[in-house]
Amino acid sequence: DAGITQSPRHKVTETGTPVTLRCHQTENHRYMYWYRQDPGHGLRLIHYSYGVKDTDKGEVSDGYSVSRSKTEDFLLTLESATSSQTSVYFCAISESDYYGYTFGSGTRLTVV
Amino acid sequence: DQQVKQNSPSLSVQEGRISILNCDYTNSMFDYFLWYKKYPAEGPTFLISISSIKDKNEDGRFTVFLNKSAKHLSLHIVPSQPGDSAVYFCAASLGSSNTGKLIFGQGTTLQVKP
Repeated sequence: DAGITQSPRHKVTETGTPVTLRCHQTENHRYMYWYRQDPGHGLRLIHYSYGVKDTDKGEVSDGYSVSRSKTEDFLLTLESATSSQTSVYFCAISESDYYGYTFGSGTRLTVV
Repeated sequence: DQQVKQNSPSLSVQEGRISILNCDYTNSMFDYFLWYKKYPAEGPTFLISISSIKDKNEDGRFTVFLNKSAKHLSLHIVPSQPGDSAVYFCAASLGSSNTGKLIFGQGTTLQVKP
């Protein structure tokens, strides 16, 4: 997938537990993004990063936090998972602020 | 509010015919538009894009048209092939003023029947 991998690919977790999803890139791209895909909503931006330790919120950031301590890794954490966070999560990378994305293969998260 | 809308959740066409996927947007400041294609269990992949200074861009069987006055974007696939069956997302960007963030529509599922 053009140097971007997400882990895990699938996860089932219980309500109230913390969950961390990992996005790893080997492209040395500056920009990284986390989206969630839900039926009827398309892809919605959760958080994004424009550099190491530089992150900002997207349109659906409540209940999520992120960290980027090095260029290649962008972590998405659900502090206390809820059933409404059951979704497919996609990470994306971009080499500039005026260029399209390359997406990872996604993480399917189920909160029971 | 949904700034990028794809009002048709699904579209079914016969192989060899034209597929037309539509997208509307509300923000006149968008300056770059993209189409992504997504197969099940895979991430979206870039298909074609267009800058707001153009009204048409072609790449093989795929053509994107932009009507800025109507705030409308369309993707034409000619001829359609069964392998084109996928979910198509349109996306819009505010360019360098917005750290490259893309705003996506809800997606349209295209089925091309043999």
